[in-house]
Amino acid sequence: KNEVEQSPQNLTAQEGEFITINCSYSVGISALHWLQQHPGGGIVSLFMLSSGKKKHGRLIATINIQEKHSSLHITASHPRDSAVYICAVIRNYKLTFGKGTLLTVNP
Amino acid sequence: ETGVTQSPTHLIKTRGQQVTLRCSSQSGHNTVSWYQQALGQGPQFIFQYYREEENGRGNFPPRFSGLQFPNYSSELNVNALELDDSALYLCASSLRGTSYEQYFGPGTRLTVT
Repeated sequence: KNEVEQSPQNLTAQEGEFITINCSYSVGISALHWLQQHPGGGIVSLFMLSSGKKKHGRLIATINIQEKHSSLHITASHPRDSAVYICAVIRNYKLTFGKGTLLTVNP
Repeated sequence: ETGVTQSPTHLIKTRGQQVTLRCSSQSGHNTVSWYQQALGQGPQFIFQYYREEENGRGNFPPRFSGLQFPNYSSELNVNALELDDSALYLCASSLRGTSYEQYFGPGTRLTVT
């Protein structure tokens, strides 16, 4: 079993829909990253959080340390949000990654 | 403040050759981590350097080696390249002791033929 599990693996949505991507982990962590990767591209950090909730534009990330669970929400999704979203946990200053969620938003 | 840069962007090598990839950390960062991302997979941790010393290693063979320099830039060296080494290699820098956040470079795409 992977230390970091994401769901769903693939997600197709219509423009404007509310999106939720989930991440569960099985180890104690210092913090958690939500990352975005466009096809063939590098990785961009969207959020790093260790408790509670963070919001940036249409993106919201939450984490529940006790339940070892985090969610990434996208409100009013847009085709430019199409990308792979990756959850990565931080332990001893090192990242362990989930396998990613491929999001496709259709116009 | 400059971001994390990597060179080269793309590289094609032949099986058995050796390769050196380079990473320039974000200004002031003292820690660099290297990751390998095979096509369609999540990144895997290779190793991390903190103040020029290796500070943890993932499940990669010894032919993967690295260096961190006094200016905190870093190299990843891979000897005896294998076809399965074809991947996107990412480096990320951070300021250990202050923040857990890692900042990623754009990656180097290595193709081994």
